Parts: sequence; structure tokens; C-alpha cells
Amino acid sequence: SQKIEQNSEALNIQEGKTATLTCNYTNYSPAYLQWYRQDPGRGPVFLLLIRENEKEKRKERLKVTFDTTLKQSLFHITASQPADSATYLCALDSVGGYNKLIFGAGTRLAVHP
Amino acid sequence: KAGVTQTPRYLIKTRGQQVTLSCSPISGHRSVSWYQQTPGQGLQFLFEYFSETQRNKGNFPGRFSGRQFSNSRSEMNVSTLELGDSALYLCASCPGGPATSTDTQYFGPGTRLTVL
Repeated sequence: SQKIEQNSEALNIQEGKTATLTCNYTNYSPAYLQWYRQDPGRGPVFLLLIRENEKEKRKERLKVTFDTTLKQSLFHITASQPADSATYLCALDSVGGYNKLIFGAGTRLAVHP
Repeated sequence: KAGVTQTPRYLIKTRGQQVTLSCSPISGHRSVSWYQQTPGQGLQFLFEYFSETQRNKGNFPGRFSGRQFSNSRSEMNVSTLELGDSALYLCASCPGGPATSTDTQYFGPGTRLTVL
């Protein structure tokens, strides 16, 4: 069955450094992959979408890469700030589409001053 | 534009009862999806509605059902509640379309359901 793995351990980094989060998937070839941010007690907020034919996408301090050979996406936050502390979720479209996203468990990021 | 709204925000029920949750999508959005989020299982897809039709369904028992009205507002219902149904129920909307596709989802704040 389709499986998505994200770093289950929390990621602690110092302010100003680059945070790199990993999303690996198996038994699937998604057409695209999305990254969301979720703060405690709130719904996820969309950050970036990358398609299977795109290698990299950027938005301000965020960068996403998508390697369909390795079946992996990397999510980078450069010049990280304490306000970036949150849980980051990757999501893949499933077979059949119709807005059915398969989410990873998420990685909790803590940026320390 | 107002975001996705969900009511109620918090709900406490006892085992065996049933519950109805409501979701109002962003104006103009025709697709509404529902997800269940628990610490153990994470975010799991329940079902998706577009133009009052359920187009896709996740692996949940028949106790979980939903519907969509002509104004795109949606409700989900859980009957015969079990302790394991305690979760954050999230609704998401997107413009939607007739073809098989996945759009960026705009999530609401969720309804926190506690089953005692």
C-alpha cells in the first residue's frame, strides 16, 4: 500500500540556520506533492506544490525538491526564525485523485533563538 | 474572502451517540473534503464531495457519512460513536473540477470531538 515517511523525531535548529525536512514515499508514483504547515490546534496551511516533472520550486525562504527516482522530497527553510516553529506535513495525491491526499505523519520543527 | 469555517469547534459526546459536524467552504469553492486527525494515525482522508456528489471515499466504516448541499456547504455524520472516534475533524475546500485532479486544499480550523 502507499506509504509516506517523514522524520518522526522533532528537528531542533538554531535561528538563522537552514532547516531541511525529508519526505519519502513507497509503492506510489504521485503526480504531485504538497507541503503544509500546521500549528497546534489549527488546520494545515498550504505552503508549496511541486509536480512530478519539476525538480525544484521556491517561494521566498522556502524551497522544495522532488526526486521521483529516489521517491523523495526535501523541504528547506533558509534563514529560519522562531516563528517557523510548527509541524510540517507532506502530502501526495492518491490514485484516483479527486482531492484525496495521503499525508505523512509530519515533522515537528523547533527553531531556537 | 472568508476562510473555511467549521462548527462547532468543540464537542463532547458519549459512546453510542451520534454527531453531525458542519463545514462552510470558501465562497466559490465547490469541492469539500473531510479528514480525521489523531495522534496515532495522523491525517486520514474520509471523503470528498463535489456538486453534491461523493466522488471519493477513504477506508472508514459506514458509521461515517457525509453530504453536500447545493450551496456547497457540507456536513459529516458519525453514528454510534466509539472512543476511538475522538479526533480533530478537518474540512478542506478547493475550487474543484470535473476531472480527476488534486488541488491545493484550504483547511478549516477543525472540530475537536471527544467521545467519553
